Amino acid sequence: QKEVEQDPGPLSVPEGAIVSLNCTYSNSAFQYFMWYRQYSRKGPELLMYTYSSGNKEDGRFTAQVDKSSKYISLFIRDSQPSDSATYLCAMSESSGGGADGLTFGKGTHLIIQP
Amino acid sequence: DTGVSQDPRHKITKRGQNVTFRCDPISEHNRLYWYRQTLGQGPEFLTYFQNEAQLEKSRLLSDRFSAERPKGSFSTLEIQRTEQGDSAMYLCASSWTGNEQFFGPGTRLTVL
Repeated sequence: QKEVEQDPGPLSVPEGAIVSLNCTYSNSAFQYFMWYRQYSRKGPELLMYTYSSGNKEDGRFTAQVDKSSKYISLFIRDSQPSDSATYLCAMSESSGGGADGLTFGKGTHLIIQP
Repeated sequence: DTGVSQDPRHKITKRGQNVTFRCDPISEHNRLYWYRQTLGQGPEFLTYFQNEAQLEKSRLLSDRFSAERPKGSFSTLEIQRTEQGDSAMYLCASSWTGNEQFFGPGTRLTVL
C-alpha cells in the first residue's frame, strides 16, 4: 500500500459544476496537507496549505482534512475550463516538509467541459 | 520574475553521458528541495538543503545522483552515466523554514 492514494482519473465534469477531489493516506504522523495544481509540462503550483484537521477556504477552493479517517478533500466551486489540470495532494510530518520533503499522491487529471 | 527558476527546461542526452541541472530558488529562501516526477506519478522527493548544508540525501536514487548548494543560493543536480530510466521531469522547490514549498517549472530530461 502506497503512503498516499489518489485516483488518477480522468475526472470529467461540465463547466459550473462542483468538483470534489480526494486523497487517503496511511501515515498517521502526517500533519500538514497541501494541494497543488499542475498544468501539462509545467511545475506544480500551490493552491492550499493546511495544518491538522478542519476546513480552509480560498475563493472557489475549499480544502478539508479529516485526520481521524486519514482523508483529505479539495472542492472547486463554479468550475471553469481553465481549471482543467492535474491536481496533486501532498503531505508531510513537519511544517513545510522538513528533511523528509513532501509525499505526493499520483495526481487526479481533471477535465472541465465547456 | 521572483519565482523559482530552473535551467535548462529540456535536456536531451545520450545514454552514458553526464548531465547537470541548475535551480535558482526564491530569493532568501533557506530551504531547497529536489524531486523527480515520472509520467503519471506525483513528484518523488530526492534531497534537501538547508542553506548550504545537505541534510537529507539518502533518498537520492543511486550513487550516480549528486547535488550541491555551494553558497546557500543556487543548487545543481548532477546525474552521471545517464540511463534511459533516468528520463523524467526534475523539479526544484524552495521555502522559508516551516512554510510552503514553491516549485520551479522543472527540467525535462530525455535519455536516448
